[in-house]
Amino acid sequence: QVQLQESGPGLVKPSQTLSLTCTVSGGSISSGDYYWSWIRQPPGKGLEWIGYIYYSGSTYYNPSLKSRVTISVDTSKNQFSLKLSSVTAADTAVYYCAREGVYYDSSGYYYRYFDLWGRGTLVTVSS
Amino acid sequence: NFMLTQPHSVSESPGKTVTISCTRSSGSIASNYVQWYQQRPGSSPTTVIYEDNQRPSGVPDRFSGSIDSSSNSASLTISGLKTEDEADYYCQSYDSKSRVFGGGTKLTVL
Repeated sequence: QVQLQESGPGLVKPSQTLSLTCTVSGGSISSGDYYWSWIRQPPGKGLEWIGYIYYSGSTYYNPSLKSRVTISVDTSKNQFSLKLSSVTAADTAVYYCAREGVYYDSSGYYYRYFDLWGRGTLVTVSS
Repeated sequence: NFMLTQPHSVSESPGKTVTISCTRSSGSIASNYVQWYQQRPGSSPTTVIYEDNQRPSGVPDRFSGSIDSSSNSASLTISGLKTEDEADYYCQSYDSKSRVFGGGTKLTVL
């Protein structure tokens, strides 16, 4: 059974870089059937997609965060990582890693959805 | 870019039916599939609807999804409400390569 687990510091100072890692267990991150995303949720608020990476290393980021985000993958460790620079209190959130599966229906059309999530990790930005 | 707008909250009694809407601000709701996620307090989201109206295995058929091009919106309908359905619900779709979430709807079953 595939599982995702986020890890990293729970407290980051303002203006510093937030760094998190998601470890994939029970399956391979190198499967071409999945995209690997970071999603965050400020306390009491909704979900915000941050960006994704494919096992090949190709990425796409939320345009609103693009200038501060880097997502990378380490297939040898079965991990992908998030770096968010120049953080402020507004970046305080629960950060989730999630797997997005790519599937094909009976008509041959593909569809995608987030079919597996980590438990999330709270990152607080404070001095 | 577009936004997905959901009502902030809805409430209904056990056994009743509730519908949560998700309105796309620009572009056609039919141009990209819509997913719905359920998030119970303190838990990670889980999928209840994908590809507009499909249920993952294990999701009861009390949950159904649809889209309406005339109102440019998607809907999640939950029938035979149970107290365990009380949760936040998020719609999600795609804008080119971006993934877009709605703001979420808090469902109270009272």
